[in-house]
Amino acid sequence: KAGVTQTPRYLIKTRGQQVTLSCSPISGHRSVSWYQQTPGQGLQFLFEYFSETQRNKGNFPGRFSGRQFSNSRSEMNVSTLELGDSALYLCASSSGWDRREKLFFGSGTQLSVL
Amino acid sequence: AQSVTQLDSHVSVSEGTPVLLRCNYSSSYSPSLFWYVQHPNKGLQLLLKYTSAATLVKGINGFEAEFKKSETSFHLTKPSAHMSDAAEYFCVVSDISGNTPLVFGKGTRLSVIA
Repeated sequence: KAGVTQTPRYLIKTRGQQVTLSCSPISGHRSVSWYQQTPGQGLQFLFEYFSETQRNKGNFPGRFSGRQFSNSRSEMNVSTLELGDSALYLCASSSGWDRREKLFFGSGTQLSVL
Repeated sequence: AQSVTQLDSHVSVSEGTPVLLRCNYSSSYSPSLFWYVQHPNKGLQLLLKYTSAATLVKGINGFEAEFKKSETSFHLTKPSAHMSDAAEYFCVVSDISGNTPLVFGKGTRLSVIA
């Protein structure tokens, strides 16, 4: 069974640009969540989707948005990039609604904003 | 509101000696607690979880953790460290219903010296 796939693996952008990151969950998983990981702040929760509905959103500005498609694949978008958006963006999937279920993480997208 | 505090940002042990990674939690409700591990350039992987069953939880690769309500702790231990254990470890909390987003600690980097 294929794991969680995140594309692209690396991305370099300049300030003011926008970026779209993609996440393909494990087949059959309906829940997808996104996290931002930085050395100073650790892992911070961005959003969570279940069956195409946003279930929760973390404390990030409106420049950060996401969505989930009917096949459970998810995308997140960051508009008007800032230097502080440089981070590893991790996606995780799980099979159902219960957050106590095991999360399966992708290897992440490393975003560098210059 | 829930939070976790990982008491050490970096722990260094010699190969073959015990490992202790400390985690304290705060939760308004009965917590579910997890330990995840992240090897370099990889996503996170679940080591073990506590969800109100036995207070001593055994995980993969010889790791275990004990839930101590009186001390609000969930420390991770392993009797004998292996070089392959070198990684970043995250303590994670959710409430027992599984209905609130996971909260991650800032991580503890484990170094294993030959």
